[in-house]
Amino acid sequence: KAGVTQTPRYLIKTRGQQVTLSCSPISGHRSVSWYQQTPGQGLQFLFEYFSETQRNKGNFPGRFSGRQFSNSRSEMNVSTLELGDSALYLCASSLVHTDTQYFGPGTRLTVL
Amino acid sequence: KQEVTQIPAALSVPEGENLVLNCSFTDSAIYNLQWFRQDPGKGLTSLLLIQSSQREQTSGRLNASLDKSSGRSTLYIAASQPGDSATYLCVRGGADGLTFGKGTHLIIQP
Repeated sequence: KAGVTQTPRYLIKTRGQQVTLSCSPISGHRSVSWYQQTPGQGLQFLFEYFSETQRNKGNFPGRFSGRQFSNSRSEMNVSTLELGDSALYLCASSLVHTDTQYFGPGTRLTVL
Repeated sequence: KQEVTQIPAALSVPEGENLVLNCSFTDSAIYNLQWFRQDPGKGLTSLLLIQSSQREQTSGRLNASLDKSSGRSTLYIAASQPGDSATYLCVRGGADGLTFGKGTHLIIQP
């Protein structure tokens, strides 16, 4: 069974731009969550989607948004990029939100 | 705000030793407690998941325990090997999503 895939793997943007990251969950998984990892803050929860509905949202500004499609694929969008948005963005999928989460390799975003 | 604390932050031991990684969390109303490992430049790999109704889980040389009343979990690694070198993350699962510890950076010396 294929694992969680994330595209692109690396991205360089400039301040003020917007970016969209994509995540394809493991087949059959309906829950997709997004996380931001930085050296200073560690891993922080962004949001979780289940069956196209946002179940939960972390403490991030409204510039961070996401959505989930009917095939469970998910996208995350960050608008008006700031230097502090430079991070590794990880996506994880699971059957349901209380089950083991399987992580993708992440997208490394660098904001210049 | 939920918090997860991991002790120690870093650990270096010779190959073959048994070791214990500690984790504490502030809220006992958890869904589950997971231990992950993260290798440099890679994503997270789930090691063990303990549901809130369970006390421990075992997989090979790994054993994780959960004590909800005291807000603690431990990860026991038996007969450590150089391939066990990685950052180990303790993760609390609750109604507000996952809360991550900062991790224990483990080095196993050959």
